[in-house]
Amino acid sequence: GAVVSQHPSWVICKSGTSVKIECRSLDFQATTMFWYRQFPKKSLMLMATSNEGSKATYEQGVEKDKFLINHASLTLSTLTVTSAHPEDSSFYICSALEPTGGEKLFFGSGTQLSVL
Amino acid sequence: SQQGEEDPQALSIQEGENATMNCSYKTSINNLQWYRQNSGRGLVHLILIRSNEREKHSGRLRVTLDTSKKSSSLLITASRAADTASYFCATVSSGSARQLTFGSGTQLTVLP
Repeated sequence: GAVVSQHPSWVICKSGTSVKIECRSLDFQATTMFWYRQFPKKSLMLMATSNEGSKATYEQGVEKDKFLINHASLTLSTLTVTSAHPEDSSFYICSALEPTGGEKLFFGSGTQLSVL
Repeated sequence: SQQGEEDPQALSIQEGENATMNCSYKTSINNLQWYRQNSGRGLVHLILIRSNEREKHSGRLRVTLDTSKKSSSLLITASRAADTASYFCATVSSGSARQLTFGSGTQLTVLP
């Protein structure tokens, strides 16, 4: 099946710093990628839809200046958490739609962010 | 807001037993999907059932969909310890541009 690679797997940073998370589709081109946030033992909350070559579409309540999304190529989307604070600590997961895969999503392995 | 609510939140069974998880949703859907997540990992797609389908099988998995009740169930037969994971239903609403909305998940523990 299609492979989505997400890096880093975990990151610890100081409050006030920015963190970039990469999501790559390794064997297919993804015009659309999705970014989710997950709290412990909770469901996935959609943060934004990332479209190649255009601005991301953010869900209600998600600060676009806080969570910068760039989808500069058909195989790479990045999420930058700017000026991170402890409340931003969470598990972030990306996913992508594979063109021939129908409606199912292929997920990255997730990034655990801990802000001290 | 959450589209799907899953029941039970947690389920613990013995190896070899069947596990049934239920999912309810609120809006009209195009399809419903089930995913599995091992702790601290990404999600893996298990099975997709379309709104005009009532039942689907894949190996030890059986999914049913009742659009009149806006509910779905996932049955895992002859469970194994390796089936221990969280299971999520996710819906694609009609006209939602292929956006998935996830349920709250069921944590399944299969005891050896």
